[in-house]
Amino acid sequence: EDQVTQSPEALRLQEGESSSLNCSYTVSGLRGLFWYRQDPGKGPEFLFTLYSAGEEKEKERLKATLTKKESFLHITAPKPEDSATYLCAVQAANTGNQFYFGTGTSLTVIP
Amino acid sequence: ETGVTQTPRHLVMGMTNKKSLKCEQHLGHNAMYWYKQSAKKPLELMFVYNFKEQTENNSVPSRFSPECPNSSHLFLHLHTLQPEDSALYLCASSQDNGWSYEQYFGPGTRLTVT
Repeated sequence: EDQVTQSPEALRLQEGESSSLNCSYTVSGLRGLFWYRQDPGKGPEFLFTLYSAGEEKEKERLKATLTKKESFLHITAPKPEDSATYLCAVQAANTGNQFYFGTGTSLTVIP
Repeated sequence: ETGVTQTPRHLVMGMTNKKSLKCEQHLGHNAMYWYKQSAKKPLELMFVYNFKEQTENNSVPSRFSPECPNSSHLFLHLHTLQPEDSALYLCASSQDNGWSYEQYFGPGTRLTVT
C-alpha cells in the first residue's frame, strides 16, 4: 500500500537554528514528490517538486532533497516567518492524478 | 495569493440544510480536485475532474455531490451532512500532462455542521 510518513510531527527551533524535516514514502513507481507549506486557516502553498533520486531544489532558506525512500526539507537559519506546517505528498505511477499526503510537520521558529 | 479562489470561506450549516461550495481557477489548468482536511489526518482526496470529466471518486458518501460545468469551475453540493463532515474543504487545480504536475490549492472553506 502506498504510504507517506512525515517526522517529526512538531518541531520548535530557535531563530537561526538549522534543522531538517523528513518525509518517508513507499509507492509503486514514483512520479513526483511534492513539498507544500500551509499556514493556519489557509490552503497549502506549493514549494517544490522532485522527480528522481539525487535531485535537489532550493528556495531562499529551504532546500529539498530526494532519495529512493525519503525526502528531506532542510531549513537553514530559519526565521519566525518560516513557522508553518510543511506537507509532503507523492504521486505514484499507477494511480493517475492521486496524491498521497503525509500528516505534516508543524514548525515553530522562536525569535 | 494563488490563482485558485473558493467561496464561501466559512460556512455553518445544519444537518438538514443544502449548500454549495464554489471553486474557480484562473491558471488555465485542465484538472480540478476536491480534498477534505481534518485535524491530525492527511488530506483526503474526494473527487478529481480531468477536462470536466470525473475520473476519481474515492468512496465519498452521496451526501457530497460534485459538479464541474467547465475546466475553470468546480462545485461541491452538500446535503444532509453529519457533524463528522465538519472540516476544511480544499479545492486544487493542475495541468494534467499525463505524467506529473504540481497541484495548486485554494484557501479552503471551513465547514461546520451543527
